[in-house]
Amino acid sequence: QVQLQESGPGLVKPSETLSLTCAVSGAPMTSYHWDWVRQSAGKGVEWIGRVSFSGNTNSNPSLESRVTLSMDASKSQFSLTLTSVTAADTATYYCARADHSFDSWGQGLLVTVSS
Amino acid sequence: SYELTQPPSVSVSPRQTARITCSGYELGDKYVCWYQQKAGQSPVLVIYQDKRLPSGIPARFSGSNSGNTATLTISETQALDEADYYCQTWDNGIAIFGGGTTLTVL
Repeated sequence: QVQLQESGPGLVKPSETLSLTCAVSGAPMTSYHWDWVRQSAGKGVEWIGRVSFSGNTNSNPSLESRVTLSMDASKSQFSLTLTSVTAADTATYYCARADHSFDSWGQGLLVTVSS
Repeated sequence: SYELTQPPSVSVSPRQTARITCSGYELGDKYVCWYQQKAGQSPVLVIYQDKRLPSGIPARFSGSNSGNTATLTISETQALDEADYYCQTWDNGIAIFGGGTTLTVL
């Protein structure tokens, strides 16, 4: 059974860059998409974007200009970078495996943007 | 942008049937998934492709989707079904989530 685990800083200063990594275990990274989703009280559940084994990426247009997604299948991990963060980016960030649905999720990582 | 609308809350008595709706323009033309999220936990997929049940999800959960409304139905509702439920679909390659419905089992 696939397991996902987010890692990264829990606190980021405004205007700085948020970088998160998701470690994947229990299943190969082939044949699926690997996504990031965030959840906040103000915006509910919001899809950030995905990276595929082929290397293709796709992002939510609302975040696209600030998001970079990448994968390192040799290390069984994928990553999210979000630049120029503000308080509005404070949320719990989840990584998830997906095809037509998000069938496995990480435990989530609360990231607070504050000085 | 595409939007999905859910009622903020639904209440049900134990062993009764709970129905949670999700509305969106011509939603019946898209596939809908449903997620259950208990307090302090990650979401769990309970229905995919409108009505398919993932492995390990009780058969008390079922789904339908037609017209502008998708419905998650929970039969013989139990206290352990208390949670937030989110619908989700795809629109032009973007995942869209509903605002969530809190199910209370009274």
